[in-house]
Amino acid sequence: KNEVEQSPQNLTAQEGEFITINCSYSVGISALHWLQQHPGGGIVSLFMLSSGKKKHGRLIATINIQEKHSSLHITASHPRDSAVYICAVLDTSGSRLTFGEGTQLTVNP
Amino acid sequence: DAGVTQSPTHLIKTRGQQVTLRCSPKSGHDTVSWYQQALGQGPQFIFQYYEEEERQRGNFPDRFSGHQFPNYSSELNVNALLLGDSALYLCASSLGTGWGNSPLHFGNGTRLTVT
Repeated sequence: KNEVEQSPQNLTAQEGEFITINCSYSVGISALHWLQQHPGGGIVSLFMLSSGKKKHGRLIATINIQEKHSSLHITASHPRDSAVYICAVLDTSGSRLTFGEGTQLTVNP
Repeated sequence: DAGVTQSPTHLIKTRGQQVTLRCSPKSGHDTVSWYQQALGQGPQFIFQYYEEEERQRGNFPDRFSGHQFPNYSSELNVNALLLGDSALYLCASSLGTGWGNSPLHFGNGTRLTVT
């Protein structure tokens, strides 16, 4: 079992839909990152969370430390949101990052 | 403010050959970490360089080696290439060996194809 598991692996939505991507982890963490990777390969940092909830534009990220679970929500999805979304956890020493396998999101017009 | 830059963007090599990939960290950062991302997978940690020394290493064979220069830039070398080394190689930079409470900074990666 991977230390970081994401679901779903693939997600197809229609423009305007509300989207949720989930991340569960099995180790103690000091922080959790949500990342976006476009087809060219470059990775962009979306959020860093250690508790609660953060919002940036149409993106919302939540984390439940007790349940070892985080969610990334996209409201009013748009085709430009199509990308791979990756969850990464930082261990309690703050030095080791472990990545999930990513969720491929496709938003159709 | 220059972000993390990697070169080349794409590379095609033959089995058995050697390859060198390069990374310049974000301005102000002194630590470089390298990751291998196979198609459809998340990045896997290769190693981390700080003060010109390898500080941490993931589960990769000795064919994978690296170097960090006094200007903090870094190289990843892979010897005796195998077909399974085909992947996107990502570089990330940070200030110090811990990731701290700041966003992660990645380069756009080098896509290596081994034929």
